[in-house]
Amino acid sequence: GDSVTQMEGPVTLSEEAFLTINCTYTATGYPSLFWYVQYPGEGLQLLLKATKADDKGSNKGFEATYRKETTSFHLEKGSVQVSDSAVYFCALVNTGTASKLTFGTGTRLQVTL
Amino acid sequence: DAGVIQSPRHEVTEMGQEVTLRCKPISGHDYLFWYRQTMMRGLELLIYFNNNVPIDDSGMPEDRFSAKMPNASFSTLKIQPSEPRDSAVYFCASSSGGGTGGDYGYTFGSGTRLTVV
Repeated sequence: GDSVTQMEGPVTLSEEAFLTINCTYTATGYPSLFWYVQYPGEGLQLLLKATKADDKGSNKGFEATYRKETTSFHLEKGSVQVSDSAVYFCALVNTGTASKLTFGTGTRLQVTL
Repeated sequence: DAGVIQSPRHEVTEMGQEVTLRCKPISGHDYLFWYRQTMMRGLELLIYFNNNVPIDDSGMPEDRFSAKMPNASFSTLKIQPSEPRDSAVYFCASSSGGGTGGDYGYTFGSGTRLTVV
């Protein structure tokens, strides 16, 4: 079945550091890929998405490129802020699974001054 | 739109009591999902509906859990009787599903934090 694997956290960075959170997936067909973010005490929010190979999703300075050849969708940000501290979830939906998202386990990011 | 609305935000109940969690999805969304989040098990899909019909309830942990969606604007998740191990944050999410291009992004509610003592 479909699955998403994320790097283990927590990831601890200083403000203005470069961020990469790795995400790889296993799926049949042509999935759409997502990154969600969960701030403390809140629900998950859609951060960015990509629906086909080589698409780049971007939002709030975060980017991720859909790499079909490596089945990856790594999240990057050039300069993190303390306010980016949150849990980040990689997810996919396969067009054959009736709109059901498969989530990774989440990666906690802690940004310090 | 006010987004996905869940109530209550917090619930503390005694073991053995019935608990009902409520969700109002975004108007026009035809999919509704119930998730449970714990530190140990992460985010778990419990059940989801399409056009008010339950599609997959394989994630519902036990017969103590039940979910209904009587109409397009309301869903409930009920636990009867509740147990301490049910303590978690329960999220509801909705999406418009389908469509060319796979725009399946979910909108999550703020969750209900359930504590069973």
